Amino acid sequence: SYELTQPPSVSVSPGQTARITCSGDALPKQYAYWYQQKPGQAPVLVIYKDSERPSGIPERFSGSSSGTTVTLTISGVQAEDEADYYCQSADSSGTFVVFGGGTKLTVL
Amino acid sequence: EVQLVQSGAEVKKPGESLKISCKGSGYSFTSYWIGWVRQMPGKGLEWMGIIYPGDSDTRYSPSFQGQVTISADKSISTAYLQWSSLKASDTAMYYCVRQRRSGGSCCSDAFDIWGQGTMVTVSS
Repeated sequence: SYELTQPPSVSVSPGQTARITCSGDALPKQYAYWYQQKPGQAPVLVIYKDSERPSGIPERFSGSSSGTTVTLTISGVQAEDEADYYCQSADSSGTFVVFGGGTKLTVL
Repeated sequence: EVQLVQSGAEVKKPGESLKISCKGSGYSFTSYWIGWVRQMPGKGLEWMGIIYPGDSDTRYSPSFQGQVTISADKSISTAYLQWSSLKASDTAMYYCVRQRRSGGSCCSDAFDIWGQGTMVTVSS
């Protein structure tokens, strides 16, 4: 079955830049989406179609794509950005939704 | 306001049946795919399946095919997730989600609206 691979954890200091990657063979064909989930809350969409930002999401959140890897970048990380982040995409035929395993972002 | 409101937490015994609900409001319920996502305690997100309420077209993740049933009643703008025989391993938070764009095909788009989640606990 198709999988998306994320690092389990990423740590950054406040004000620095955090980069969270997501790898999958179908990513050159399918868009990726990113969600932020804080403890006890439902996930929130922060990036869609690789790099588009929904209204209300701070500009410090951005996304990019290169081959089989997509990247969520958080510039000028703030303490409130500490959360779990999940990528989502589809298999190459667009038949199934797939989530990455999630990355815990720790703000030191 | 566009929102999905889910039914409340459930505590069940193994072998029992269960149907949880997700009511959409503030948008055309029949025009957007509605999916279900499982999150086991301390674990990540898993896509279970999705339904288009307009015509009840339903797709399942291979991991959940035959394990659950997804349905919808468009007359009351409500989607459902049901089990015929629960197991302890079904203990999890379940979220309903709306696919971002109206119409179109399933599965190649983001989920822009999430329900608040329904916690299901299965224990003897």
